[in-house]
Amino acid sequence: QKEVEQNSGPLSVPEGAIASLNCTYSDRGSQSFFWYRQYSGKSPELIMFIYSNGDKEDGRFTAQLNKASQYVSLLIRDSQPSDSATYLCAVNMGDSNYQLIWGAGTKLIIKP
Amino acid sequence: DGGITQSPKYLFRKEGQNVTLSCEQNLNHDAMYWYRQDPGQGLRLIYYSQIVNDFQKGDIAEGYSVSREKKESFPLTVTSAQKNPTAFYLCASSIQETANTGELFFGEGSRLTVL
Repeated sequence: QKEVEQNSGPLSVPEGAIASLNCTYSDRGSQSFFWYRQYSGKSPELIMFIYSNGDKEDGRFTAQLNKASQYVSLLIRDSQPSDSATYLCAVNMGDSNYQLIWGAGTKLIIKP
Repeated sequence: DGGITQSPKYLFRKEGQNVTLSCEQNLNHDAMYWYRQDPGQGLRLIYYSQIVNDFQKGDIAEGYSVSREKKESFPLTVTSAQKNPTAFYLCASSIQETANTGELFFGEGSRLTVL
């Protein structure tokens, strides 16, 4: 069974602090990893993707990938109330978009 | 503006009825997808299509049907055979199904409730 696991939260973080979201996956052969943000009642939108071990930074967001330990994380620096959302981790366990496996998401709340 | 339009946004169905959810995109994307989202679960793939007049079952296709007669349109029918249809349904598209960019563009979703 191919799985992607996330802590459902809610994760509460003070405004201006760093929010750390984690995701583990079951298929050691997975090659690509994605973070989507989903506001309540809305559709997901892609915010980061990462293919290689290590860190990838984009503005206030940093994705971290550790294939040996089979986890991927998302760090949000200088958290803002507008970052309050559910963050979905998606892992491609094949080589086509239809092979994405999705986590259930972590609900993040940024407290002003 | 380019995007994906789903309708209706909210839909109520009586048991035993078939309902069809509309999905239209003007992004000129080849691939389209239907997902189902339930509380506490990840998105699950119902059907996908990479080209007109062709579509494939996803992980939970039972009780659903689709068509892809036009590149822009990928409607989903929830049939009476689907035993637990109450859910949030998301239509998505991507440039190519095989691109493996992971970048899916989603519509705003349709929330179906069975009474």
